Amino acid sequence: DADVTQTPRNRITKTGKRIMLECSQTKGHDRMYWYRQDPGLGLRLIYYSFDVKDINKGEISDGYSVSRQAQAKFSLSLESAIPNQTALYFCATSDPGGAHNEQFFGPGTRLTVL
Amino acid sequence: AQSVTQLGSHVSVSEGALVLLRCNYSSSVPPYLFWYVQYPNQGLQLLLKYTSAATLVKGINGFEAEFKKSETSFHLTKPSAHMSDAAEYFCAVSDASGSKLTFGKGITLSVRP
Repeated sequence: DADVTQTPRNRITKTGKRIMLECSQTKGHDRMYWYRQDPGLGLRLIYYSFDVKDINKGEISDGYSVSRQAQAKFSLSLESAIPNQTALYFCATSDPGGAHNEQFFGPGTRLTVL
Repeated sequence: AQSVTQLGSHVSVSEGALVLLRCNYSSSVPPYLFWYVQYPNQGLQLLLKYTSAATLVKGINGFEAEFKKSETSFHLTKPSAHMSDAAEYFCAVSDASGSKLTFGKGITLSVRP
């Protein structure tokens, strides 16, 4: 079984709709991250969380919100989706006691906003 | 603040040829550096990492990278490309606290038969 899972894997939605992307992990890591990937732009950090009570904005948090429901679960929400949020979204985890912030990635969610 | 530069967006090599993917970094502190690979329709997986133990780092699938402080570089190489190496490759640098990674824009590697 995969250590970091994301649901859904693919989603098509319309402008203005609320969308939630979910991430679960069985690695027992405290740190979780959400990134978006756009062609030619690499991965950009949206939000990150170091534990259930700790949420931090990344470089591109506008238009997004997150919820850390438990150590193993970290959800990303788009309150009112817009077309330029069409992207590939990745969740990642890391262990603060591990090797210098090596991160472990989920398989990604491909989101299309029409 | 940390940053990573990966020049060019696409590299094409013949099967059996040398693979060289360039990465230059900027960091105000001794860096921790990573190369990740993304195969089609998959997430990122770690190829190798530099954590100051040795300047020449060996990773999976025959890849290696050399940390050169004087050149602020961490280029990825493989002596002989295989068709299965076709993927997107990302270089990343860790921040001073070790809590976040900054990624380069990625390079797509194509391997010709």
